[in-house]
Amino acid sequence: DGGITQSPKYLFRKEGQNVTLSCEQNLNHDAMYWYRQDPGQGLRLIYYSQIVNDFQKGDIAEGYSVSREKKESFPLTVTSAQKNPTAFYLCASSKTSGTPETQYFGPGTRLLVL
Amino acid sequence: AQTVTQSQPEMSVQEAETVTLSCTYDTSESDYYLFWYKQPPSRQMILVIRQEAYKQQNATENRFSVNFQKAAKSFSLKISDSQLGDAAMYFCAYRPPREYGNKLVFGAGTILRVKS
Repeated sequence: DGGITQSPKYLFRKEGQNVTLSCEQNLNHDAMYWYRQDPGQGLRLIYYSQIVNDFQKGDIAEGYSVSREKKESFPLTVTSAQKNPTAFYLCASSKTSGTPETQYFGPGTRLLVL
Repeated sequence: AQTVTQSQPEMSVQEAETVTLSCTYDTSESDYYLFWYKQPPSRQMILVIRQEAYKQQNATENRFSVNFQKAAKSFSLKISDSQLGDAAMYFCAYRPPREYGNKLVFGAGTILRVKS
């Protein structure tokens, strides 16, 4: 079955620690995205990538980093510079041609700070 | 900057009844896309319906339909014959023209409760 997988489902971070969230897709989509969801707020874009080896900052990129070495994978690292990382993180992917380039989402990762 | 506003934090509907969720947005563009996503308790985001701004006809997907008023920048979602499985958080999202990247701007969401 085609889809988007995220791992782990739950992740715990200690103070000063970097953690990496995994996102993999087998939909053959060129574009991938990372969103953060906080209670009472909609999703906010962290980073996005429209092609391998290229990515752009979203609205809240500070304290996060990404890489896009393979089309299928777009891992997100939450660095120690992110002072309030507790949130639900959603990965999405889409085509970059045709219309309307709908984004499809993975099941999410819940990040908690110890 | 584009913004999306969902003015109803929570809504309730009786099973089999109809409910309308509101969404307004702010943009100076003329060519864009609008979406409604559903997030059930599992937290999986599921596409409900989408609308191209250049199309005047309102989109429909089974029991879900939209009322797209481009001049008013309004994009409401109507759910007919509500079912218990419709209970979820609903997000309205705006996608700007392609040259700005395929980025979605989300509203804060509306919690829909369905009563049996």
